[in-house]
Parts: sequence; structure tokens; C-alpha cells
Amino acid sequence: ILNVEQSPQSLHVQEGDSTNFTCSFPSSNFYALHWYRWETAKSPEALFVMTLNGDEKKKGRISATLNTKEGYSYLYIKGSQPEDSATYLCAFPGGSQGNLIFGKGTKLSVKP
Amino acid sequence: DAMVIQNPRYQVTQFGKPVTLSCSQTLNHNVMYWYQQKSSQAPKLLFHYYDKDFNNEADTPDNFQSRRPNTSFCFLDIRSPGLGDAAMYLCATSRDRVAGGTHTQYFGPGTRLTVL
Repeated sequence: ILNVEQSPQSLHVQEGDSTNFTCSFPSSNFYALHWYRWETAKSPEALFVMTLNGDEKKKGRISATLNTKEGYSYLYIKGSQPEDSATYLCAFPGGSQGNLIFGKGTKLSVKP
Repeated sequence: DAMVIQNPRYQVTQFGKPVTLSCSQTLNHNVMYWYQQKSSQAPKLLFHYYDKDFNNEADTPDNFQSRRPNTSFCFLDIRSPGLGDAAMYLCATSRDRVAGGTHTQYFGPGTRLTVL
């Protein structure tokens, strides 16, 4: 059974702090890694789809890196704002027919 | 502007009373998925439709069924809900099946099911 692990489970930071968290996935037969942001009472929203080792993607203050050889991805948030409070999910297409397997997520709370 | 819509957002049902959750999409995507997420757990895929082709996950209980009458709509039927079926149910779509794992999925806001 393929597993996707995320750490930490939750994180509390002050507004303006920069933060990062980790997604670990099986390094063999890598195809892609997905990051989603899920704000309370809203729909999970796609942030990045990463495919290449060493890839780095950026969206505003949020960026992500990928290491397919060792099986991890980092998500960074620079200068956290209260509106960044959400659960960040990563997912790996390792299920049947390439369906996504999700991690449990990292719940980020940013205090003003 | 909503692209994947789920109704209702909150559903309360009684133990053993059948319940149906609905999902609609305006994206004209081929694939529709149903996920179950229990508290502090990862979203877990129950099944998906590729066009009209139904694909059940091996560990999805028989209690869970799905219907897709047309491209836009997909339903999740829980025939006899138990207390353990209380969860958030997420519907998602993707343009095509995960070819190389790169197709983004678009999610609805979920339906939170409570079983009394």
C-alpha cells in the first residue's frame, strides 16, 4: 500500500512568519505530486502539480520544491498572512488506475 | 462561477435511513470522483466515473453506490448509513483520467454527513 505522509499535522504561526512543511511519497515510479489548499467551508483548490526532480513552483508568497529521488516535497509560505490559514494537502497518483492518494494534510493557523 | 457544486452542504440522517448526496459540474469534465474524509484522516477515494464507466475502489463498502445520469451530475447513495459513515464527502472532477498523474482535480466544497 502506497502512503503519503505529511508533517507536521498542524502548525500555528504569527502573521509575518515564514513557514514550511513536508510531504513524503514513494520515490519509485514517480509521475507527479499535487498540492492543494483547503480553506474551511470552501472547496480544496489546486496549488501546484509538480513533475520534474528539482522543480520549484511559485504562486505569490507560496512556493514548492520537489525531490523525486528521495521522495519529498516542501511547501514554503513567506510572510504568512491570516488568509493563508488552511489545510494544505499533498497527493500522489499511486492509487488504482493512477488515482490520487492524499496525505492527511498540514493544518496551518496564522494569528494576526 | 462555482464549477463543482455539492448539495446539500450539511446532511443529517438517521442510522439505517438511505441518503443521497449530489454533485454537479459546469466544467464538462469526463471524470467525476467521490471521496470520503473522516476527521483528521486523508481524503479516501470511494469510486470514480470515467464518462459512463463506473470504477469502484476495492475497499469501498457495498453500502455505497453511485449514479451518473449525465456528464454534469453524479450522485452518492448510502443505502443504510451507519455511525461510522459520518464524514465529509467530497466530489471532484478532472478533464481526463490521470494520464501520468498530471491532471488537476477540481473539488466541490463537500457535504458533511451526520448520522444520528
